[in-house]
Amino acid sequence: ELKVEQNPLFLSMQEGKNYTIYCNYSTTSDRLYWYRQDPGKSLESLFVLLSNGAVKQEGRLMASLDTKARLSTLHITAAVHDLSATYFCAVEMDSNYQLIWGAGTKLIIKP
Amino acid sequence: GAGVSQSPRYKVAKRGQDVALRCDPISGHVSLFWYQQALGQGPEFLTYFQNEAQLDKSGLPSDRFFAERPEGSVSTLKIQRTQQEDSAVYLCASSFWTISGANVLTFGAGSRLTVL
Repeated sequence: ELKVEQNPLFLSMQEGKNYTIYCNYSTTSDRLYWYRQDPGKSLESLFVLLSNGAVKQEGRLMASLDTKARLSTLHITAAVHDLSATYFCAVEMDSNYQLIWGAGTKLIIKP
Repeated sequence: GAGVSQSPRYKVAKRGQDVALRCDPISGHVSLFWYQQALGQGPEFLTYFQNEAQLDKSGLPSDRFFAERPEGSVSTLKIQRTQQEDSAVYLCASSFWTISGANVLTFGAGSRLTVL
């Protein structure tokens, strides 16, 4: 059974600091997705990582995938308040449509 | 509209009532998914449609849950004889597959069901 674990589950940080969210999964998969969710809002796609060594960047967020270590990271550089949200990683099963989700990392960035 | 629309946004039901949750996906999206999200958790897969065909219903928690998409566009998730453990946010997502094969989901805002 594929399991996806995120850590930390909760993170409070100051603006301007850097930090990393980790996403570990238990079986082989080459496809991993990161989503963002604001309170009461839809989940929004951030990154799609499709192969070992994939790195994607958008503004202050950078995501990477190491399929051998079964690990993805979401790195936040010089955090700003607008990045406060819950971040989810999701791993695609071999079925090619079903996603297994982590529990989410609630990120609070204080001014 | 441009996004995935779900209704109602909030539903309070008495235990034992039947409820129906509607999802209007993005026009042209062949694939449609239903997920259940408990408070403080990630979404959990319920069921998957490709056009009108329900290809996977392995995530439906019991036979009280039923989903349909009769014309390959709007979908309805029905829960019969609701129980307190059914309280959750029900998320609908539609998707397209990119040339690279990635399955990018566009989610609706969800229907929050509270069973008293």
